[in-house]
Amino acid sequence: EAEVAQSPRYKITEKSQAVAFWCDPISGHATLYWYRQILGQGPELLVQFQDESVVDDSQLPKDRFSAERLKGVDSTLKIQPAELGDSAMYLCASSLTGTGEYGYTFGSGTRLTVV
Amino acid sequence: EDKVVQSPLSLVVHEGDTVTLNCSYEVTNFRSLLWYKQEKKAPTFLFMLTSSGIEKKSGRLSSILDKKELFSILNITATQTGDSAVYLCAVRGGGSNYKLTFGKGTLLTVNP
Repeated sequence: EAEVAQSPRYKITEKSQAVAFWCDPISGHATLYWYRQILGQGPELLVQFQDESVVDDSQLPKDRFSAERLKGVDSTLKIQPAELGDSAMYLCASSLTGTGEYGYTFGSGTRLTVV
Repeated sequence: EDKVVQSPLSLVVHEGDTVTLNCSYEVTNFRSLLWYKQEKKAPTFLFMLTSSGIEKKSGRLSSILDKKELFSILNITATQTGDSAVYLCAVRGGGSNYKLTFGKGTLLTVNP
């Protein structure tokens, strides 16, 4: 069964350092999402890509977070500098179309701990 | 702003019990409601509901949507310890990006 690949699975970083996460969606999925899930909360959308274009980044803290999907395939989410409050699970998901009518598939996530 | 509220936030039952999880929502241009199961990793898909009154069923799990009253329930019968997880409800709205909004989840613990 096709999967959304994410790496690393776990990351511990010091406050003020830079950190990056990688996501490779299911082949052929045009839409890619980055979610942040704080412990005890539901996932919150950070950024949504349609191919290589950002369609929603309204909840992305742009002073420290950036995301790119240069060739419309895999994507990188970066945090610089990391803060203690960034400790969370970062989930990548993909869907065949931007409407989500065929559902969403999530990757295993990257659990970030900022110390 | 789209809103999804799940209740209860946590629940402890014994194996064999039946549980009902609730999800109410307010969303612009409702498209669908999704249920996910999340153990200590990524959410796994359970159901997608788009029409009122039509029950979706998979083994011991079932779910139904009421678009008039804006809620959905997820039922689990004859619970097993392997059902212990966080159950997430999410609603897909309209707008330019068909945004998926999640609730906080219900933490279900099934004790032997």
